[in-house]
Amino acid sequence: GAGVSQSPRYKVAKRGQDVALRCDPISGHVSLFWYQQALGQGPEFLTYFQNEAQLDKSGLPSDRFFAERPEGSVSTLKIQRTQQEDSAVYLCASRRIEGAGYEQYFGPGTRLTVT
Amino acid sequence: LAKTTQPISMDSYEGQEVNITCSHNNIATNDYITWYQQFPSQGPRFIIQGYKTKVTNEVASLFIPADRKSSTLSLPRVSLSDTAVYYCLVGDDSGFQKLVFGTGTRLLVSP
Repeated sequence: GAGVSQSPRYKVAKRGQDVALRCDPISGHVSLFWYQQALGQGPEFLTYFQNEAQLDKSGLPSDRFFAERPEGSVSTLKIQRTQQEDSAVYLCASRRIEGAGYEQYFGPGTRLTVT
Repeated sequence: LAKTTQPISMDSYEGQEVNITCSHNNIATNDYITWYQQFPSQGPRFIIQGYKTKVTNEVASLFIPADRKSSTLSLPRVSLSDTAVYYCLVGDDSGFQKLVFGTGTRLLVSP
């Protein structure tokens, strides 16, 4: 079946622009996660949704970062007034149900470059 | 969450067995050990998870000694396509689990 998809795969933004990154999780997956991966580093947790509820946003680096999942399926990560330090790969992952262990299914990521 | 330590990089040749060891001295009683694999330009992929002794699947084996303070991911007869970054993660296997990745081990397989 289809995996997690993300769009766009690549995004170049000028400093100060707003960007929106989309994640389509695996159909029926309850949990959705966003991670940020800097070059040469492991992914770092940003935020977590269970259905449409955002249960943890402790990893969002600033109030310029905002995520939503209004209908409990597709999610959007929005970054306002982008800065150069926001350049990274943004990964989305989904998981079937709560308590389903450590297996999360990742998308290919969106590489954001802020110039 | 227990901190993990693993080698930054490893080199191997096609057909060899590769063993990547991860140290997790502060592992808690309820913690599981999980390994992910990440190819360039892709998201991480779950490989294997275990609690104690040995777990084997079609991709790899995971060896966990009795004290559980370390674990070893074993990849049999690697090929060029096994070149990737391998992450060791430790955490509770219940409820909400955000994944906490370290910097991983970069495995390079050469012909």
